[in-house]
Amino acid sequence: DTGVSQDPRHKITKRGQNVTFRCDPISEHNRLYWYRQTLGQGPEFLTYFQNEAQLEKSRLLSDRFSAERPKGSFSTLEIQRTEQGDSAMYLCASSLSGEFGGSTHEQYFGPGTRLTVT
Amino acid sequence: AQTVTQSQPEMSVQEAETVTLSCTYDTSENNYYLFWYKQPPSRQMILVIRQEAYKQQNATENRFSVNFQKAAKSFSLKISDSQLGDTAMYFCAFITGANNLFFGTGTRLTVIP
Repeated sequence: DTGVSQDPRHKITKRGQNVTFRCDPISEHNRLYWYRQTLGQGPEFLTYFQNEAQLEKSRLLSDRFSAERPKGSFSTLEIQRTEQGDSAMYLCASSLSGEFGGSTHEQYFGPGTRLTVT
Repeated sequence: AQTVTQSQPEMSVQEAETVTLSCTYDTSENNYYLFWYKQPPSRQMILVIRQEAYKQQNATENRFSVNFQKAAKSFSLKISDSQLGDTAMYFCAFITGANNLFFGTGTRLTVIP
């Protein structure tokens, strides 16, 4: 296992179209996170899963966004009816959780999917 | 509110010299972890160093070390013997029991040959 992978690396779409991104975490990691990064900013949290359960969603995650992790392995992030403001880098990260203080809380990031909405 | 402030948008350093990147944060939590991540141009985010808030001893990883001042909520990164490969965006971040990372806006570091 060589790390977190994301597909596609780049996506150009027209406003109003739906897009779906995939993330494959490090195989033994039970937590998976999605972040959004716009130009000149740090990543902003969108949502995270522990195994297949989606445990937290940010207010940034409007109802046009949906994420799944059906078997506790890979995850998908779908954006419906894309808008130009959705243009950003979408980052996926994974970690191995434990009780707070019982894990390192280190998150390992994938290369990201750069979305451009025209 | 959980915030991270990196007040230096850009910095430069001569190769082989030492540079310090600043970071302050705000949280009402008592237990948290602090991180520095490196994002090279067009490449993915890499974890540089980690600090547990309950540890007084500053973390060190080879040429990278931190100065953690819990009372001041300050977490600076020192890079010694800077190398050309250190050129990147550096992000300060922390995580609490809420489990998601809070990032600063980053510092763009350029190492000059």
